[in-house]
Amino acid sequence: GDSVTQTEGPVTVSESESLIINCTYSATSIAYPNLFWYVRYPGEGLQLLLKVITAGQKGSSRGFEATYNKETTSFHLQKASVQESDSAVYYCALGSSNTNKVVFGTGTRLQVLP
Amino acid sequence: DPKIIQKPKYLVAVTGSEKILICEQYLGHNAMYWYRQSAKKPLEFMFSYSYQKLMDNQTASSRFQPQSSKKNHLDLQITALKPDDSATYFCASSQEGRGQNTLYFGAGTRLSVL
Repeated sequence: GDSVTQTEGPVTVSESESLIINCTYSATSIAYPNLFWYVRYPGEGLQLLLKVITAGQKGSSRGFEATYNKETTSFHLQKASVQESDSAVYYCALGSSNTNKVVFGTGTRLQVLP
Repeated sequence: DPKIIQKPKYLVAVTGSEKILICEQYLGHNAMYWYRQSAKKPLEFMFSYSYQKLMDNQTASSRFQPQSSKKNHLDLQITALKPDDSATYFCASSQEGRGQNTLYFGAGTRLSVL
């Protein structure tokens, strides 16, 4: 089936350090997957951070970037310099323009130390 | 103000009882969803509704029954509760019922079954 595997948390980094959260996917029933990163801040619901619907393209938002790599079936999330306010749970997700189902990973809890 | 309201925020139930999780969205969306996340597991798709009609059901158990009394409501009734049902349940919505569209989530209802 379709699935998403991401870095198991928690991930702890110090403010201004770089970050990478790995995400790989398996899209057995989806010919042209759409890829997403969602973020959940404490006490809130998940919200879209960025999305990419075309292989080879890069998405970016709030200093975060992720490139859709079809060859390695990866969509890693990176940020050059994290801030304490980035502390949250990050979810990688896989969807299709033909269905209404989005498949999520387990989420990666990020803690940024001041 | 939150645009997707889930009630209650926390819920404790005894094995064998029945509970209803409430979800209301004020985004004017036509599609609504339920997801569930248990400890250390992926955020799991349960149901999707579009224009108050069931589109997809990935929940094997009939103990889980969505109820849509209004376009912007999608409640979740859970009967004969089991400890394995303990999880955080998230309601979500999107403009249309297609995967390419952004999902908007509520803050979740954390259910504990004793």
